[in-house]
Order: sequence, then structure tokens, then C-alpha cells
Amino acid sequence: SAVISQKPSRDICQRGTSLTIQCQVDSQVTMMFWYRQQPGQSLTLIATANQGSEATYESGFVIDKFPISRPNLTFSTLTVSNMSPEDSSIYLCSVEGWGWGGYTFGSGTRLTVV
Amino acid sequence: AQTVTQSQPEMSVQEAETVTLSCTYDTSESNYYLFWYKQPPSRQMILVIRQEAYKQQNATENRFSVNFQKAAKSFSLKISDSQLGDTAMYFCAFRQTGANSKLTFGKGITLSVRP
Repeated sequence: SAVISQKPSRDICQRGTSLTIQCQVDSQVTMMFWYRQQPGQSLTLIATANQGSEATYESGFVIDKFPISRPNLTFSTLTVSNMSPEDSSIYLCSVEGWGWGGYTFGSGTRLTVV
Repeated sequence: AQTVTQSQPEMSVQEAETVTLSCTYDTSESNYYLFWYKQPPSRQMILVIRQEAYKQQNATENRFSVNFQKAAKSFSLKISDSQLGDTAMYFCAFRQTGANSKLTFGKGITLSVRP
């Protein structure tokens, strides 16, 4: 299955600033998925990123707050904009694994906003 | 819309014993996938086991097995011979068939294995 390199692994940011999270996959994939996991909670899908088109956002998430880049079939970025303490979460990217129906995840970015 | 329910927030088990984690789901689809993912403190999401709905045989992976009851929409995970390294959050997840379908997760359960 695919291997995903996600950066940074953690960051502490000032409120009002932005952070860009990167995910690099070792193989070409059609879709990449971005999740948020608030402290002690489950994973919530933020958006689905398809190469060459705008990302599709889930209810409650907007492009101005979470702009996504998908310049090619192996790379994507998620930016958390104008951060507030409520954005403190783990952010994970994910891709579909070929042939077995499941999904592989990056190692996550732990974001703390102060 | 699909929903996944994990009603037990926490469980504890003695090392070497067996524990069962519960999961129910709701869907109108006839074919789909179900998963159990493990998330240790390192926060890496690790696939534990998967089940395809059209397969009647319960999936097994070493010490991990599932009890898949399609009619009851139940998908429980049994961990045998529990080990300290099994301590983690466990998430039940659902996805429809078809490329690039999203995963829907349950709330998760925190499993602690006691030495």
C-alpha cells in the first residue's frame, strides 16, 4: 500500500496566523482526503482533493479557512488559515489503498494554537 | 447517510485475556467495507482488519477477528491474548464500494491493557 510522508509532525502557532501541512505520497493517487481530529474525538473529513480540480468540502468546512492545493498526483497541502485555539487538533491526510478497499493515513500533524 | 456507532467510550482488559469491542452501523447499501483502525499515542492510524460485506466469512488477522452480523448491522472486534501494545484508541469505520468513497468513523473506544 502507499506510503505517506506528512509534515510537520507538530507545531505551535500564534492565533491569527496560518499553517500549511504537506502530504507526499510515494505513488500516484487520484484522490487525497484531509481529516481533522479534535482532542479526544474521532476523525472528521474536511475535504477531498482531486488533482486538477477544486477540492470538495464537507459541511461545516469552507475553502477560505482550509484552502487545499493538489498540484499533482502525489502531493497535496492543507492550510489552516487565521487560526484560533479552536483549530487545535490533529490533521491527517489519507489515500485509498489499491485493491483492498481501505485507506492509508499520514502520521498526522498535531497543531496547537496559542 | 451512513452512521457508525461505538457506544463504549472505554474498556480495560488484563494482559493475555480476550476483549471484544462493539460497533454498529446503519446503511441502506447492500455491499460495502467495514474496518477497524487502531490509533496508539503516536497518533498513526493503523489498519487492524477489514471486512467486505458480501463475504459471509468473518475476517481474521492473527490475534484479531471480527464478528460480522450483516442483518443486525453489527461489526465487533475480538482481540485475543491481549498485549500491552494493544493499548490504543480503536475506531470502527465504514465505506461504500466505489472508488474514492470516503470513510465514516465511529467515535472510537479507548482500550487499556493492564499488565
